[in-house]
Amino acid sequence: SQQGEEDPQALSIQEGENATMNCSYKTSINNLQWYRQNSGRGLVHLILIRSNEREKHSGRLRVTLDTSKKSSSLLITASRAADTASYFCATVFSGAGSYQLTFGKGTKLSVIP
Amino acid sequence: KAGVTQTPRYLIKTRGQQVTLSCSPISGHRSVSWYQQTPGQGLQFLFEYFSETQRNKGNFPGRFSGRQFSNSRSEMNVSTLELGDSALYLCASSLARAGHGYTFGSGTRLTVV
Repeated sequence: SQQGEEDPQALSIQEGENATMNCSYKTSINNLQWYRQNSGRGLVHLILIRSNEREKHSGRLRVTLDTSKKSSSLLITASRAADTASYFCATVFSGAGSYQLTFGKGTKLSVIP
Repeated sequence: KAGVTQTPRYLIKTRGQQVTLSCSPISGHRSVSWYQQTPGQGLQFLFEYFSETQRNKGNFPGRFSGRQFSNSRSEMNVSTLELGDSALYLCASSLARAGHGYTFGSGTRLTVV
């Protein structure tokens, strides 16, 4: 079953604007990761944030994690048409040495040129 | 370095048949995971292999099986195909250590008719 829930399900913005996507999860985690998927292709790893971190940056991406609220957000600044894709959060709970990604349903982002 | 290679890219099978999908991970990655993606259920974990051993299995029927070879290449097999098995099957490889992301292949699009 899906652990994460992304919000919103779909987001449409103009090029140059910022896009914020939220993710909530249910259980304790080792880390949380964000992935991008273009048109039903493979997923591309964007950024990973560990459970003891609160914020992380990578280029135009900023991720926050609030373990007390079991939530994370992904901010894409100065969006471009090429950012149009589906974005998924995935949590990792490492038990018995196995690492398994549990995905949310994703946010479909459309950036209008 | 070469990415994760999945073959074939597309496959059409008839109900009742079986199918084998292949995944070659990134060199040095010993963990291979498989995921099923459908519009209704989203991304769901199938299983994870590490050093030829299945470490974790998702909630799928026994018709879904897999294996990993000594060179870390992995195959997954689905027997007695059902229409509901139509999906994008994604393979991901990783270093299998906490704090590391996953690299996904482009997927195999399976259509069962």
